[in-house]
Amino acid sequence: GNSVTQMEGPVTLSEEAFLTINCTYTATGYPSLFWYVQYPGEGLQLLLKATKADDKGSNKGFEATYRKETTSFHLEKGSVQVSDSAVYFCALSAYSSASKIIFGSGTRLSIRP
Amino acid sequence: EAQVTQNPRYLITVTGKKLTVTCSQNMNHEYMSWYRQDPGLGLRQIYYSMNVEVTDKGDVPEGYKVSRKEKRNFPLILESPSPNQTSLYFCASSLNSGNNEQFFGPGTRLTVL
Repeated sequence: GNSVTQMEGPVTLSEEAFLTINCTYTATGYPSLFWYVQYPGEGLQLLLKATKADDKGSNKGFEATYRKETTSFHLEKGSVQVSDSAVYFCALSAYSSASKIIFGSGTRLSIRP
Repeated sequence: EAQVTQNPRYLITVTGKKLTVTCSQNMNHEYMSWYRQDPGLGLRQIYYSMNVEVTDKGDVPEGYKVSRKEKRNFPLILESPSPNQTSLYFCASSLNSGNNEQFFGPGTRLTVL
């Protein structure tokens, strides 16, 4: 079946450090891939998405590239800020069943000033 | 303001006492979904609805019911809550499928004693 695996947290970095949060997936067909972010006490918000192989999603300095050969969608940011502290979720929506969304377990990110 | 609202935000109840969590969206979205969020497990889809009067099971539907009589509302019903349904619940909506950006409500924290 379809699944998403994220690197476990928590991840703690200093401000201006480089961030990578790993995400790999298992899916039949050609899924769409998403990163959502959850700030404390809030619901999830879409951060970025990619719908086909080699697409790069980007938003707010974050990027992720859809790699079909490695079934990965790693989230990166060149210089993190304290305001990036949140929980990040990788998710997929399989082409064969666009109604069902599979989320990863989430990665908590804390940025030190 | 475009939004998804949930009520109540917090609820403490006892085993077996029927409860309903309401969800409403004002974006004319066709697709709505319920998730539960548990530590280490990420978000798991409970039920979803592709349109009025069309609902289907997600990955963890046992112990829950939903209805979609109007486009804007998608209540979650727990007929006989049990302690293992203690969780953080999120309602979400999107334009016409899970493949599109989902907009999340603020969450309902439920405790079943």
